[in-house]
Amino acid sequence: DAGVIQSPRHEVTEMGQEVTLRCKPISGHDYLFWYRQTMMRGLELLIYFNNNVPIDDSGMPEDRFSAKMPNASFSTLKIQPSEPRDSAVYFCASSPLGGGYEQYFGPGTRLTVT
Amino acid sequence: AQSVTQLDSQVPVFEEAPVELRCNYSSSVSVYLFWYVQYPNQGLQLLLKYLSGSTLVKGINGFEAEFNKSQTSFHLRKPSVHISDTAEYFCAVKRSNDYKLSFGAGTTVTVRA
Repeated sequence: DAGVIQSPRHEVTEMGQEVTLRCKPISGHDYLFWYRQTMMRGLELLIYFNNNVPIDDSGMPEDRFSAKMPNASFSTLKIQPSEPRDSAVYFCASSPLGGGYEQYFGPGTRLTVT
Repeated sequence: AQSVTQLDSQVPVFEEAPVELRCNYSSSVSVYLFWYVQYPNQGLQLLLKYLSGSTLVKGINGFEAEFNKSQTSFHLRKPSVHISDTAEYFCAVKRSNDYKLSFGAGTTVTVRA
């Protein structure tokens, strides 16, 4: 099993540009989570999906952030327009229904907005 | 609402010495508890979890944790650490009535020879 796959691993962009982060969850997993990790705020849950449907997006910081899951094997997190304060590591995680509630994390995307 | 407090932000320890990382939580409903480890430039990996049953749970790499309901704690221990245990450790809580995890701020463990 390849695990959770995220791309790109690193992204450097200029303020005002659109950024799209991508995630492929583990096959068969029903839940998908997007997190943001910063030194100041730690690990924050942004949004999670169950069977491709957004369940809780209360952690999405503002309207500049959006997330989609068009099918069971792909999700995107988009920031438009990006700002320097969006610089962080973004993690995607997936989890099977039941299964002890363990979340399997991807390697993360390090985003730098200049 | 729930919260997770990791009482130590940094723990330096010598190789082969024991280590304990402290975690306290608050929640108005029953919870499940987790410890994750994050090695540099990697994602998080599950060390162990408590769902029910025995309050002493054993995980990977020789780690164990004890759930104490009266003290709302879930401290992580390892009797003898290795250099390779240098990492950041996160305590996490999941309420029984939803699927979200709330993470503590993390504890950085640095193992020195």
